[in-house]
Amino acid sequence: DVKVTQSSRYLVKRTGEKVFLECVQDMDHENMFWYRQDPGLGLRLIYFSYDVKMKEKGDIPEGYSVSREKKERFSLILESASTNQTSMYLCASSFPESSYNEQFFGPGTRLTVL
Amino acid sequence: DAKTTQPPSMDCAEGRAANLPCNHSTISGNEYVYWYRQIHSQGPQYIIHGLKNNETNEMASLIITEDRKSSTLILPHATLRDTAVYYCIVRLGTGTASKLTFGTGTRLQVTL
Repeated sequence: DVKVTQSSRYLVKRTGEKVFLECVQDMDHENMFWYRQDPGLGLRLIYFSYDVKMKEKGDIPEGYSVSREKKERFSLILESASTNQTSMYLCASSFPESSYNEQFFGPGTRLTVL
Repeated sequence: DAKTTQPPSMDCAEGRAANLPCNHSTISGNEYVYWYRQIHSQGPQYIIHGLKNNETNEMASLIITEDRKSSTLILPHATLRDTAVYYCIVRLGTGTASKLTFGTGTRLQVTL
C-alpha cells in the first residue's frame, strides 16, 4: 500500500514563528504536492514538485516556500506564520504524467496559528 | 482545466444506490473526469476516472454522457462508510504536472 505520512496531525504555532510541515512518501513517486483546505474553498494547490530540487508554484504560493532535497520528502515552510495560514494542510504524491493520474494523499496536518 | 458543478449535498439510504451528478459543460476533448472522496478527518482518496467510456471498478461506476458535458458517479450499494465529500475533477490526463483542482464537492450523507 502507498503510504504518505505527514509529520504532525495537529500543530499550534504563534504568529511570526517559522513552521515546517514535513511529508514523506514510500512509493518512489516523482510528483509531490502541498494543498491547503479551508471550509467553503475546497482544496487549493500551494506548491508542487516533479523532481528532486524542482518546484513550481501552485495557485496560492504567497507566504509559503518548499524544499525537496530527497525524492521521498517534500517540506512546506511558513517563513513567518500568520493567522490567515490557519488551515488543514494536505500532502500528496503521484507518478509522473500518464493517462492515469492518481494522487495519494496523507492524513493532513491541522495547523492553528495564534 | 474545465470547471465542474456539483450539488452541495445529497442523502442516500444505506443499501441503495447513490448517484452523484457532475456538470462539466466546458470540458475539452482530451480532458479526463476524475472522482475523489474525502471522509471526515482524512485526506482525499481516488475513486475512479474516465475519458469518454463508462468505467467500473470495485468502488464505483462512472457514467459519462455522450457529449461529455456531464457525468454521474454511482455507488451501487451505499454504506454508512461511504458518507464523505465527493469531488468531481476535470483535467488533462497527460502532458502537464498532475494538478488537481478541487471544488467544494458534494457532501453525501448515507443514513440507516
